[in-house]
Amino acid sequence: GQNIDQPTEMTATEGAIVQINCTYQTSGFNGLFWYQQHAGEAPTFLSYNVLDGLEEKGRFSSFLSRSKGYSYLLLKELQMKDSASYLCAVRDPEGDSNYQLIWGAGTKLIIKP
Amino acid sequence: EAQVTQNPRYLITVTGKKLTVTCSQNMNHEYMSWYRQDPGLGLRQIYYSMNVEVTDKGDVPEGYKVSRKEKRNFPLILESPSPNQTSLYFCASGQGSQPQHFGDGTRLSIL
Repeated sequence: GQNIDQPTEMTATEGAIVQINCTYQTSGFNGLFWYQQHAGEAPTFLSYNVLDGLEEKGRFSSFLSRSKGYSYLLLKELQMKDSASYLCAVRDPEGDSNYQLIWGAGTKLIIKP
Repeated sequence: EAQVTQNPRYLITVTGKKLTVTCSQNMNHEYMSWYRQDPGLGLRQIYYSMNVEVTDKGDVPEGYKVSRKEKRNFPLILESPSPNQTSLYFCASGQGSQPQHFGDGTRLSIL
């Protein structure tokens, strides 16, 4: 079956570094997305990985290992505004759609002063 | 400005009273989708559309209808809403390998 696993909740300290893991088991794979979602708001796009390796974007980096079915989102120099849920989603091209995403349940990140 | 617009943003209504949540995108995207989000369950897909007049069921389609008569619009219809459809709803659109764009969400309460 199709499955994406993320930790339900994590806590970190302002100024520190946190790594949010995502493991997936899908029929196919055509890219992995990370989204940030503040409570009650829409998800906003953070990063996209389709090849193995690390993608860096300012304070945020995302890593992918397709052979291990594994990704992580790394957040550095944490700020209070980073308190949000982080959603991992895999594009599975099975069938006739290259647009469909399979979503993890999200990781709620709590930042403490 | 590229955007996905949902209306209404908030709605409190009663069981059985038909309602429609509108969704419109200005990016000429082929793909549009409706999700509901409930605590602890993440985003669950209700229906999606690959193009005009093409719609398919997602994971939780029961109790919902959609239509795609024009490329920009993808309304979600609840013919006879029930309390278990109380949720936060998101419309999204996408094209090619680009990330999906989400509307601001509609919070529905069915009493």
